[in-house]
Amino acid sequence: DTGVSQDPRHKITKRGQNVTFRCDPISEHNRLYWYRQTLGQGPEFLTYFQNEAQLEKSRLLSDRFSAERPKGSFSTLEIQRTEQGDSAMYLCASSLTGTKTYEQYFGPGTRLTVT
Amino acid sequence: AQKVTQAQTEISVVEKEDVTLDCVYETRDTTYYLFWYKQPPSGELVFLIRRNSFDEQNEISGRYSWNFQKSTSSFNFTITASQVVDSAVYFCALSDEQTGANNLFFGTGTRLTVIP
Repeated sequence: DTGVSQDPRHKITKRGQNVTFRCDPISEHNRLYWYRQTLGQGPEFLTYFQNEAQLEKSRLLSDRFSAERPKGSFSTLEIQRTEQGDSAMYLCASSLTGTKTYEQYFGPGTRLTVT
Repeated sequence: AQKVTQAQTEISVVEKEDVTLDCVYETRDTTYYLFWYKQPPSGELVFLIRRNSFDEQNEISGRYSWNFQKSTSSFNFTITASQVVDSAVYFCALSDEQTGANNLFFGTGTRLTVIP
């Protein structure tokens, strides 16, 4: 059974550069979520998709952030013009709909460092 | 607004001791879900349990047990006979209508260290 995978695991970039992260959910899961986790804090919700539709966005998701899930399978999260405050772990999770909706399964995360 | 408080920032216990991790939550909704996740040093959050607001039965799974008390808005987690592999950060989380019912609102976590 393949879990949620994320790529890359680590990314170091200079301020002002654009970065893109990828998430591959568990294959039968139609919901996909993005969270951000800073040091010493719990994850904070960014956005979620049901199939290819982006149904909810947090106000944490500024206009420099964009997420897509073009075919309802993998998803990408892009950050444009990165700032040092964007340094964090970016976590992806997936779940089923129905009675198992609230059981989200997380990937290993992408750690972003903006220098 | 919803809130999840994990007042214990760090706990250290000696192997084989029992340990309880506290979680207190706030929500205005009558329907909500509570969760515990484990985040080992590798970083990947591991789902442990989900409990809905209508089910106050306590649950036991091996060395893990959960005590849900609506009267005190608490959802505490006990590890019996702790082991070194239990060392991790543990997060309590809430999902309700205010969170959009589709995302999780996490506490700040409790770092548990089990000393051999």
